Amino acid sequence: GAVVSQHPSRVICKSGTSVKIECRSLDFQATTMFWYRQFPKQSLMLMATSNEGSKATYEQGVEKDKFLINHASLTLSTLTVTSAHPEDSSFYICSHRTAGEKLFFGSGTQLSVL
Amino acid sequence: SQQGEEDPQALSIQEGENATMNCSYKTSINNLQWYRQNSGRGLVHLILIRSNEREKHSGRLRVTLDTSKKSSSLLITASRAADTASYFCATDSGANSKLTFGKGITLSVRP
Repeated sequence: GAVVSQHPSRVICKSGTSVKIECRSLDFQATTMFWYRQFPKQSLMLMATSNEGSKATYEQGVEKDKFLINHASLTLSTLTVTSAHPEDSSFYICSHRTAGEKLFFGSGTQLSVL
Repeated sequence: SQQGEEDPQALSIQEGENATMNCSYKTSINNLQWYRQNSGRGLVHLILIRSNEREKHSGRLRVTLDTSKKSSSLLITASRAADTASYFCATDSGANSKLTFGKGITLSVRP
């Protein structure tokens, strides 16, 4: 299956700082990567669709200037949470969808903003 | 918007028993998928069933789909403590290749 490597797994930062989360596709080329956010005991909420070489497509209500997505290569997509605040604390997960329709997920990043 | 709604929200069973989880959805779908998530980890795909299929098996997993009732069930037979996790259904409506996830079911299997 498609392996998605996500780093870091956990990050604690001070309010006002920016945090970058990386997702790498290890054994395939990902033209599209999906970024999700998950609160404790909640479902996954799609934040944006990252497209290699073009701008990301954001879901309604997601601030594109707050959550910067870069997909500069076929193997790397990054999500930067800018000027993070405590309400941004959450579990962030990336995923890639293969032609077979199922999603392969990264291991997730737990962000805690103090 | 929420598409899949699983029930029950939490399920606790004894090892060896079967676990049945249900998912209902609202709009027409191309396929429905079940995923598993261990605490603090990413999701792992379990099984996919297409709209023209009624039942599918994979190892100890059995999934059914009733498009007339817009519902699906996931059965895990002979459960093990290692099956303890959260389980999510996700619907694919074919719109922009996005999956919509339900709220999830927390399964606890007591050894």
